[in-house]
Amino acid sequence: DADVTQTPRNRITKTGKRIMLECSQTKGHDRMYWYRQDPGLGLQLIYYSFDVKDINKGEISDGYSVSRQAQAKFSLSLESAIPNQTALYFCATSDSTETQYFGPGTRLLVL
Amino acid sequence: GENVEQHPSTLSVQEGDSAVIKCTYSDSASNYFPWYKQELGKGPQLIIDIRSNVGEKKDQRIAVTLNKTAKHFSLHITETQPEDSAVYFCAPDQTGANNLFFGTGTRLTVIP
Repeated sequence: DADVTQTPRNRITKTGKRIMLECSQTKGHDRMYWYRQDPGLGLQLIYYSFDVKDINKGEISDGYSVSRQAQAKFSLSLESAIPNQTALYFCATSDSTETQYFGPGTRLLVL
Repeated sequence: GENVEQHPSTLSVQEGDSAVIKCTYSDSASNYFPWYKQELGKGPQLIIDIRSNVGEKKDQRIAVTLNKTAKHFSLHITETQPEDSAVYFCAPDQTGANNLFFGTGTRLTVIP
């Protein structure tokens, strides 16, 4: 969905490096989410935010942090990347109807 | 937390046949039951959803049925077409969290 954009789309980094994945939305939604997807598995929730001053941990928050800079922006940071954080990362937004709209994903490889 | 299982994990059907994917969940207080479709290289996209006050919902070739007593809901695709080939996820909501809990997905292949 072009209303939800993620940068970068692909990233290769080395173990121990700090990296940031960014998400922007033009849908005007208050709620934003970060998910991780591993091959053959569903999406696991890392962090979510229901408004600019609200940050909540999801199922697998260890090793990650987030920042909600504005209603339209939600970034995910890996403080010290490790190989098992190699995965596909998705940002999503929703309004009160609970329907979530996903970005195109960021493919991350940690060497 | 919510325990969500999807069956089958892979499904192959001939074009024109029907496909059914079942999702079981553990949280008896879940009220929202969506199905998402993920095409290769893209993010998941909602295709149909149902709320707990309704037993069935249909949208052209796609339908969802809900059995709250047994805690399962199913996706039905009729007259399948090659473009239906994708991974499908169920994602019932988690009570009180306003979050969705995704199943592990079903890879559907429609053979022309």
